Amino acid sequence: QQKVQQSPESLSVPEGGMASLNCTSSDRNFQYFWWYRQHSGEGPKALMSIFSDGDKKEGRFTAHLNKASLHVSLHIRDSQPSDSALYFCAATPSSAGNKLTFGIGTRVLVRP
Amino acid sequence: DPKIIQKPKYLVAVTGSEKILICEQYLGHNAMYWYRQSAKKPLEFMFSYSYQKLMDNQTASSRFQPQSSKKNHLDLQITALKPDDSATYFCASSQDLGGRSYEQYFGPGTRLTVL
Repeated sequence: QQKVQQSPESLSVPEGGMASLNCTSSDRNFQYFWWYRQHSGEGPKALMSIFSDGDKKEGRFTAHLNKASLHVSLHIRDSQPSDSALYFCAATPSSAGNKLTFGIGTRVLVRP
Repeated sequence: DPKIIQKPKYLVAVTGSEKILICEQYLGHNAMYWYRQSAKKPLEFMFSYSYQKLMDNQTASSRFQPQSSKKNHLDLQITALKPDDSATYFCASSQDLGGRSYEQYFGPGTRLTVL
């Protein structure tokens, strides 16, 4: 079983809409999370990290972490066509962790 | 200008051969990594280096050997190639390793196909 699970596998949202992505760790050691985005033909690029319970907002992106359930979500407000990409959740066992364990990804398509 | 350079972008090899994947970073980072992305699988951590020293190796096979000739270089030598080695290999770097979780910056990847 993968230690980091993501859902849904794919998501289609209208331009200007809200995209919501989910991620859960099955290993209580993994409590620190990152969201990465990968456009086709490129390497992943970090969007944000979240290490504490609650919400963290960066521009149109908001992450929410519930450490008790090891669930983290990413919400993209006012989705743009340029947001169409593969989104990865990655977890580390500590706030000093640099070995990232990635989920399989959620493919987001923003329809004009 | 690209901050992390990976060469070549595409690589085709025959089973049993040996290839070297090149990575150079110009971000002034002290830590470098290799990850592998295979079809239908998550990105998988392979190695981490800090100040040219191997810090973590999660690759079961000794056929994969990282090589660091300079602080900003981390090449990956793969010997006795198998079709299962076909994947996109990403080099990444971060300011440092440990103490806190630093953002990792990824290169554009080398797509390796083993026939």
